[in-house]
Amino acid sequence: EPEVTQTPSHQVTQMGQEVILRCVPISNHLYFYWYRQILGQKVEFLVSFYNNEISEKSEIFDDQFSVERPDGSNFTLKIRSTKLEDSAMYFCASSARTGKETQYFGPGTRLLVL
Amino acid sequence: SQKIEQNSEALNIQEGKTATLTCNYTNYSPAYLQWYRQDPGRGPVFLLLIRENEKEKRKERLKVTFDTTLKQSLFHITASQPADSATYLCALPGYSSASKIIFGSGTRLSIRP
Repeated sequence: EPEVTQTPSHQVTQMGQEVILRCVPISNHLYFYWYRQILGQKVEFLVSFYNNEISEKSEIFDDQFSVERPDGSNFTLKIRSTKLEDSAMYFCASSARTGKETQYFGPGTRLLVL
Repeated sequence: SQKIEQNSEALNIQEGKTATLTCNYTNYSPAYLQWYRQDPGRGPVFLLLIRENEKEKRKERLKVTFDTTLKQSLFHITASQPADSATYLCALPGYSSASKIIFGSGTRLSIRP
């Protein structure tokens, strides 16, 4: 069964460094998303992406964050200058044109900012 | 703003019994509601979607109800098994846009043998 994949599974970085989290959505999906989950808290929406542009973003998704679909398969989340509070699990998700209500999540990248 | 409440943080039941989890929401009327399962350190996994015009939906041992008057959904697992132990998340579309999912905080279900 097709699934969303994410790399790396774990990333440790120093505060102020840039990180890029990578995702390969399910191949025929058209809608892409990033969510994050701080340890012990809810899964929170960050951004949605369709037709090569951001559809919606949350208050969390400030100027330090950006997303890109550099080719036909990858979808990336960049954090320009990481802060301690960016430490969280980051989940990528995708959904199809038909039945787009249901989002399929990747296994996540655990980001630790020191 | 919309608010989702799941009845309890944790639920501990005996194997073979039916687990019932509750999700209540306020401040809007969603066109549909979803339930996801999340295992520790993993991403949410879609289980069921129920629309506002559906009262009940089933999938194998899972059953979901959706009462738009009470603004409540019930999620049932019948003949529960230890493998059903996980956190179950209630999820609604965003109020202003369905391009995002709003998750509840989840109920951690433990099935003891």
